[in-house]
Amino acid sequence: EVQLVESGGGLVQPGGSLRLSCAASGITFSSYWMSWVRQAPGRGLEWVANIKEDGSEKDYVDSVKGRFIISRDNAKNSLYLQMSSLRVEDTAIYYCARDFPPYCTTTSCIAPLDYWGQGTLVTVSS
Amino acid sequence: AIQLTQSPSSLSASVGDRVTITCRASQGISSAIAWYQLKPGKAPKLLIYDASNLESGVPSRFSGSGSGTDFTLTISSLQPEDFATYYCQQFNNYPQTFGPGTKVDIK
Repeated sequence: EVQLVESGGGLVQPGGSLRLSCAASGITFSSYWMSWVRQAPGRGLEWVANIKEDGSEKDYVDSVKGRFIISRDNAKNSLYLQMSSLRVEDTAIYYCARDFPPYCTTTSCIAPLDYWGQGTLVTVSS
Repeated sequence: AIQLTQSPSSLSASVGDRVTITCRASQGISSAIAWYQLKPGKAPKLLIYDASNLESGVPSRFSGSGSGTDFTLTISSLQPEDFATYYCQQFNNYPQTFGPGTKVDIK
C-alpha cells in the first residue's frame, strides 16, 4: 500500500521559515517525480512545485519562486519543501503527491497526481 | 496560466441521485483534465484522468467526458461515501492548475 506522510507544519510568523517533510512507503520512491500541492483555507488547490526522480530538475509556481526550495533524499524515501520569507497568503494545508508517471519526461512533468498524503497545516500569522 | 471554472460551486443531492459537475477551461486543453475527490482530513483521491479514463480502483459509477474547453464529471448513482468536494485539474500547460471545487452535500 502506498503511503505518503507529511510532517513539519505549524505556526510561523511572517518572514519566517519552515521545512516540510514527506515520508514515502509502498513505492520505489526514487523512480518518480514528486510534487507539493497546497490548499489555502476556503480556497481551491494550487500546485506548488515538483522534482525529478534524481533531483536534477525542479519546477515551481511563480508565487513561490525564490522563496521555496523542493528537494529529496532517495536514500531516506523522503521529499522536502524548504519555505522561507513566508507570507500570510502561504497559509494552507500542504500535500505531497506522486506525479502520474506516463506524463513525465526527462525534463518536466505536468501530470495528474495519483497518490497523495493527508497533508500538514502551515499557518503564517503574527 | 489556464483558468478553470466549475459549476455549480455546490449542490445538495440524495443517495441514488445522478450528479453532474462541469469544468470549463479558459482555452483549449485537448483532453488533459483530471478529477479529484477531497474529504476533510483525508488524502485527496484521483478519480479520472485524460478526461474519461477511470483510475484503478475507482467505482464505475464515476465517469468523465469532454474535450477542448468543456468537461463533465458524472456520478451515476450517488452513494453516502461520495459526499465530498470535487476538483478538476488541467495538465496541458504549465503550471497545472485546479478548478475552485464543487461541494456535494446531503439534501
